[in-house]
Amino acid sequence: DQQVKQNSPSLSVQEGRISILNCDYTNSMFDYFLWYKKYPAEGPTFLISISSIKDKNEDGRFTVFLNKSAKHLSLHIVPSQPGDSAVYFCAASVGNTGTASKLTFGTGTRLQVTL
Amino acid sequence: AAGVIQSPRHLIKEKRETATLKCYPIPRHDTVYWYQQGPGQDPQFLISFYEKMQSDKGSIPDRFSAQQFSDYHSELNMSSLELGDSALYFCASSLRPGYTEAFFGQGTRLTVV
Repeated sequence: DQQVKQNSPSLSVQEGRISILNCDYTNSMFDYFLWYKKYPAEGPTFLISISSIKDKNEDGRFTVFLNKSAKHLSLHIVPSQPGDSAVYFCAASVGNTGTASKLTFGTGTRLQVTL
Repeated sequence: AAGVIQSPRHLIKEKRETATLKCYPIPRHDTVYWYQQGPGQDPQFLISFYEKMQSDKGSIPDRFSAQQFSDYHSELNMSSLELGDSALYFCASSLRPGYTEAFFGQGTRLTVV
């Protein structure tokens, strides 16, 4: 049962344009969401997160939007750069502090930023 | 800056053998998480530790066990290895529980033949 889904396995965007990566979840208990970036042969790198009490969080070129009623979140990268080419994982947890509880990952979206 | 160190980076074992994966967290990080990522799959949570105590348990087979030592490093012990155990095993650490502060290691690629 895939509780966190990224329906687009790959995405290609031109340099300078906006990249939009989508993520859907089914477990209504999730209240903390994160995006990770992963290069080949490296571990995931934390990018940005959002708590369920917010609908938007921005950090430089990265913005995450959360639509709780639709159980949907998205990551916007503006402007996209060639160095952004990587696999992006959406992840969710029940809470972010207190206990070292598990993180449920999506299946990943491979972003290719072209020149 | 020091990162999460995992050893070995690559490991090849035969079926029914035993493997031990090690994770050295970032200094002063007291929380360790283990994840398994099979080929073409998303990372799956195995187990976590906070202050040397098991904190949460995921889809970790009974053949696997793990612990966190007094110096906060952690070891994942895998026995009676099966072909399906071939995967990339990630360890992450954080200063107290909290994924926004968690840093992942480069992973150990285990191949069972």
